[in-house]
Amino acid sequence: KAGVTQTPRYLIKTRGQQVTLSCSPISGHRSVSWYQQTPGQGLQFLFEYFSETQRNKGNFPGRFSGRQFSNSRSEMNVSTLELGDSALYLCASSLSSLYQETQYFGPGTRLLVL
Amino acid sequence: GESVGLHLPTLSVQEGDNSIINCAYSNSASDYFIWYKQESGKGPQFIIDIRSNMDKRQGQRVTVLLNKTVKHLSLQIAATQPGDSAVYFCADLSNDYKLSFGAGTTVTVRA
Repeated sequence: KAGVTQTPRYLIKTRGQQVTLSCSPISGHRSVSWYQQTPGQGLQFLFEYFSETQRNKGNFPGRFSGRQFSNSRSEMNVSTLELGDSALYLCASSLSSLYQETQYFGPGTRLLVL
Repeated sequence: GESVGLHLPTLSVQEGDNSIINCAYSNSASDYFIWYKQESGKGPQFIIDIRSNMDKRQGQRVTVLLNKTVKHLSLQIAATQPGDSAVYFCADLSNDYKLSFGAGTTVTVRA
């Protein structure tokens, strides 16, 4: 079974631009979560989607948004990019709506904002 | 703030020795914990998990111990190999579907 896939793997943007990242979960997984990883802040939770609904959101500004499609694929969008948004963005999927389900991660999208 | 944290940011271990990575958590209501391994350029990889109704769980060459009294968990790696070199994270999955990660311990295996 294929793992979590994320596209693109690498991205370079300039300040003020916007970016959309894509995540395809493991087949059959319906929950998708997004995390930001930086050297200074570590891994931080952005948001989680299940059945096209956002169930939880982390402490990030409104410039960070996401959505989930009926096939469970998810996208996250960052508008008006700032230098501090440079990070590895990780997507994780889990099987169901139960909160004690293991989350499996994709390889991430490395975003560099210049 | 984060609910889990690791005691040491780095650990150097001789190949073939056992490794022990420690993690402390602060939320006494935490009831599900996961250890992840992250190699350079990759996303975190699931290693092993444990629920609060257990105090020990074993996998292939790995053992996780949970001490709820002192809110501490550890990951033991037997016969550490060069391929075990990575950053190890403990994480607490809360009932709002959010993983809270510790800062990570970088394990370096010496030949």
